[in-house]
Amino acid sequence: GAVVSQHPSWVICKSGTSVKIECRSLDFQATTMFWYRQFPKQSLMLMATSNEGSKATYEQGVEKDKFLINHASLTLSTLTVTSAHPEDSSFYICSARRGLGWETQYFGPGTRLLVL
Amino acid sequence: GDSVTQMEGPVTLSEEAFLTINCTYTATGYPSLFWYVQYPGEGLQLLLKATKADDKGSNKGFEATYRKETTSFHLEKGSVQVSDSAVYFCALSHPQGGSEKLVFGKGTKLTVNP
Repeated sequence: GAVVSQHPSWVICKSGTSVKIECRSLDFQATTMFWYRQFPKQSLMLMATSNEGSKATYEQGVEKDKFLINHASLTLSTLTVTSAHPEDSSFYICSARRGLGWETQYFGPGTRLLVL
Repeated sequence: GDSVTQMEGPVTLSEEAFLTINCTYTATGYPSLFWYVQYPGEGLQLLLKATKADDKGSNKGFEATYRKETTSFHLEKGSVQVSDSAVYFCALSHPQGGSEKLVFGKGTKLTVNP
């Protein structure tokens, strides 16, 4: 089956630093990747949609200068949390879509970020 | 806007017990409905789906029926196994402005004891 990996699986950083999270589709090419965040006991919330080679589309209320998304290739998307603060601590999940329809979307295992 | 409400967890059952996880939704029109499962340390996986009213999605012994009249999509399994221990997410997709988005519930953690 299709596999999506995320790296790192968890990260602790100091307030004010930037953190980069990678999302890779290991055995397929993904034209579209999605980034979600999940707070404890809350739903997954879509942050942005990225298509290879173009700018990401951010959901309302998500700061694009705070959460930089780069989809440089068909197998890699990165999310950089710039100048992280404790309120950015969350669980970040990416997904990659191999074709059309939600049956072709595969999720990564998530990255837990803790900002001290 | 669209939303999904699912029962609060955690849910703890003994092996071979009957499982129901309630899910209701709010959406205009006719969204597609999904159940995803996340096993420990893994990404979410699509468990089953239904795309129109009265459709029944099924997979691995799990079933859910799209009930338009009650705006519900409850997940059921007649006899759970220890290996079913996971977090279950109800979700819907509804085309908005030409693009589809998945809207998730909060997830329900299921633990099945031997």
